[in-house]
Amino acid sequence: AQKITQTQPGMFVQEKEAVTLDCTYDTSDPSYGLFWYKQPSSGEMIFLIYQGSYDQQNATEGRYSLNFQKARKSANLVISASQLGDSAMYFCAMRAFRTGANNLFFGTGTRLTVIP
Amino acid sequence: NAGVTQTPKFQVLKTGQSMTLQCAQDMNHEYMSWYRQDPGMGLRLIHYSVGAGITDQGEVPNGYNVSRSTTEDFPLRLLSAAPSQTSVYFCASSLTATNTGELFFGEGSRLTVL
Repeated sequence: AQKITQTQPGMFVQEKEAVTLDCTYDTSDPSYGLFWYKQPSSGEMIFLIYQGSYDQQNATEGRYSLNFQKARKSANLVISASQLGDSAMYFCAMRAFRTGANNLFFGTGTRLTVIP
Repeated sequence: NAGVTQTPKFQVLKTGQSMTLQCAQDMNHEYMSWYRQDPGMGLRLIHYSVGAGITDQGEVPNGYNVSRSTTEDFPLRLLSAAPSQTSVYFCASSLTATNTGELFFGEGSRLTVL
């Protein structure tokens, strides 16, 4: 079975500072993908970044980077130079390609608030 | 680019009523799915489809029905609405079930069952 755990219900960060949102996962599937989505107050789900289990390097997309530690089964999202528009819910999700590809398993989310 | 389009965005039902949430995508994606989002629980898979004519159950399928007669459309039917089905519903699609790309989401449909 697949499981995603986000242990931080809420986080605060000062504008222009960096912040790390934690995500740990559990799967026995050797082939999987890890995703981060942003959900602003308007409700839509915005894809941020993807990391494959066989990728050698940590994924980066602009101000977003994924700190992938395979042995620890963690996939933390790092947001650099936080902006007010980063205030939102952030969801970590996983897709296990061999055993559960039809389901993207989500964590319970972390609400990030950026303080001016 | 329309992407994934869901309708309606808001709906209020009385217990026992039925309704259909519509979902359409214009990206020729094989995989389509429905999720529900409840406070403190993240998103959970209701039903999914890996192609026209093929559907299967997800984690929380009870009380919902789906069909996939075309590649583009994947409607979700509530057969007899219950207050426990009050939730935000998202339709999502991807090229295939096994590709490494992102899942594209619709804007969500907020359903309230009284």
